[in-house]
Amino acid sequence: DTGVSQDPRHKITKRGQNVTFRCDPISEHNRLYWYRQTLGQGPEFLTYFQNEAQLEKSRLLSDRFSAERPKGSFSTLEIQRTEQGDSAMYLCASSLEGGVAYEQYFGPGTRLTVT
Amino acid sequence: AQSVTQLGSHVSVSEGALVLLRCNYSSSVPPYLFWYVQYPNQGLQLLLKYTSAATLVKGINGFEAEFKKSETSFHLTKPSAHMSDAAEYFCAVSDGDAGNMLTFGGGTRLMVKP
Repeated sequence: DTGVSQDPRHKITKRGQNVTFRCDPISEHNRLYWYRQTLGQGPEFLTYFQNEAQLEKSRLLSDRFSAERPKGSFSTLEIQRTEQGDSAMYLCASSLEGGVAYEQYFGPGTRLTVT
Repeated sequence: AQSVTQLGSHVSVSEGALVLLRCNYSSSVPPYLFWYVQYPNQGLQLLLKYTSAATLVKGINGFEAEFKKSETSFHLTKPSAHMSDAAEYFCAVSDGDAGNMLTFGGGTRLMVKP
């Protein structure tokens, strides 16, 4: 069990640029979640996948955000035309459907700074 | 809809003192409840979870929490604080079957004084 990994760990971009983050879940986990955490706040749910199907999206996920999980393994989160308000930590988590209490395992996060 | 309230955004204790971090929740379904810890610039690590079994739940690093349905609370305690416990702590509730998205509280930063 190598845990959930995220890449990059840090990203600095200029306003208006597009960015893409990657998440590799624990290999046997079929659920994958994205959360956003702004400074001093708790994480907020963005979206989740079961295998390759995106089953729910938060209203926080504006049309500038898109997430994919094409083969039911890794996932990408893309933000188009970044804004300063997008600066946050983006956390990925994975779980095994039906696992004990649906425990989610979190990655280290990608910290995005939009200048 | 679910929500979590963590009373006290900052808690300071002396090393060796009791740690008490408060969490109250609201949920329309029987909840699954979690406590996570986050160290600076890191992801979240699960401390413990309530899954409708025993109401007193023991977790890692000497932490425990008690589920009190009548008070809709799930407070986190540790008898004796260590310097290494200094971190941000998050209480979360899950909706279980409906996608199992976690709703987090705002967090409590625990500071431990020598």
